[in-house]
Amino acid sequence: DAMVIQNPRYQVTQFGKPVTLSCSQTLNHNVMYWYQQKSSQAPKLLFHYYDKDFNNEADTPDNFQSRRPNTSFCFLDIRSPGLGDAAMYLCATSSEANQPQHFGDGTRLSIL
Amino acid sequence: GESVGLHLPTLSVQEGDNSIINCAYSNSASDYFIWYKQESGKGPQFIIDIRSNMDKRQGQRVTVLLNKTVKHLSLQIAATQPGDSAVYFCAERGGATNKLIFGTGTLLAVQP
Repeated sequence: DAMVIQNPRYQVTQFGKPVTLSCSQTLNHNVMYWYQQKSSQAPKLLFHYYDKDFNNEADTPDNFQSRRPNTSFCFLDIRSPGLGDAAMYLCATSSEANQPQHFGDGTRLSIL
Repeated sequence: GESVGLHLPTLSVQEGDNSIINCAYSNSASDYFIWYKQESGKGPQFIIDIRSNMDKRQGQRVTVLLNKTVKHLSLQIAATQPGDSAVYFCAERGGATNKLIFGTGTLLAVQP
């Protein structure tokens, strides 16, 4: 059974139209991560939550925001998607920051 | 749409042969290393990890070797099967942040 669940698997939005991607976990892990992965490239960390503490990467654009209303759910909000934001977005969790990360199967975002 | 991705290094092997995937890491202070397998359309899947106080660790059909002197990590897959076809990423973690840094992936293509 999937333990890190991302919905939807495929998302299409229009240029400049806000979009929200969701992630849920059944592992009760403290840490949740959002990565961006472009074609044939490695995942790139956008930000992560340790419990309710938000940690943004220095090079993550302001266009990207995140919310974690409870332990199980985390959301990625893209306020004004540009063509360059088309990518696979991966959610991951770990029990602690120094433990292995478990990934969901991602949401592939397309921008029209 | 999405920006053009890089061409991944590719390793092509015959079914039943052993595979060796190599990775050079950058931070001599890294103390933890992970190999992930990513199949097409899926998220990275944890394969095996190793801490810097070890130089070898074995799993089921997989072995990870760590050479800290030259900052080199390898993943050996015994009796490679078609289901092993995927992109393999190494990742390192070190310093105060606990952040995973992913290496460039390697595409493993298993020929029947």
